[in-house]
Amino acid sequence: GESVGLHLPTLSVQEGDNSIINCAYSNSASDYFIWYKQESGKGPQFIIDIRSNMDKRQGQRVTVLLNKTVKHLSLQIAATQPGDSAVYFCAESSNLSGTYKYIFGTGTRLKVLA
Amino acid sequence: EPEVTQTPSHQVTQMGQEVILRCVPISNHLYFYWYRQILGQKVEFLVSFYNNEISEKSEIFDDQFSVERPDGSNFTLKIRSTKLEDSAMYFCASRGQGDTEAFFGQGTRLTVV
Repeated sequence: GESVGLHLPTLSVQEGDNSIINCAYSNSASDYFIWYKQESGKGPQFIIDIRSNMDKRQGQRVTVLLNKTVKHLSLQIAATQPGDSAVYFCAESSNLSGTYKYIFGTGTRLKVLA
Repeated sequence: EPEVTQTPSHQVTQMGQEVILRCVPISNHLYFYWYRQILGQKVEFLVSFYNNEISEKSEIFDDQFSVERPDGSNFTLKIRSTKLEDSAMYFCASRGQGDTEAFFGQGTRLTVV
């Protein structure tokens, strides 16, 4: 069946260090992947996305890497800041059903230590 | 910046009562979704809606749930007879034609007592 999971439930990093959050997915038909950030009491906030025809995409301080061979997705945050503290979800999607629904992973809590 | 808005932010209801959660999607979007998140768990897909009908629904979305777009701006989720296990954050999302990114609202926290 479809599943998206995260390797680590909590990640603690020192302010200024780089963070890497990992995600595994199982649906090889997924063609779109997205990372969301969720702060306490708020809705998911888009960070970055990547299509399956790419293996890397960079944004401002964030990079998403996609390895379709092992069905692995990662989010790299450069120079992590206190404001990056949140829960991060990966999600996969495909247009097979025509809806582009998202299947979310469990979430990783990122704690930035001063 | 356009955003998805949801009301109320928090709803407390007695078990067995009906609740309606309201959403105003981004105005030119055509695809609408409801997701829910039980406390401490992942966000789960409930239903997608396009062209005035449900396009896909999950196993969670049983006969107690319904969605409606009563006018050109609102998108509602109704739970007919709430159960304790319906307590969760409910997120509305919308997506534009040709887009892949969905925009989420801030959520409604539903507490069934």
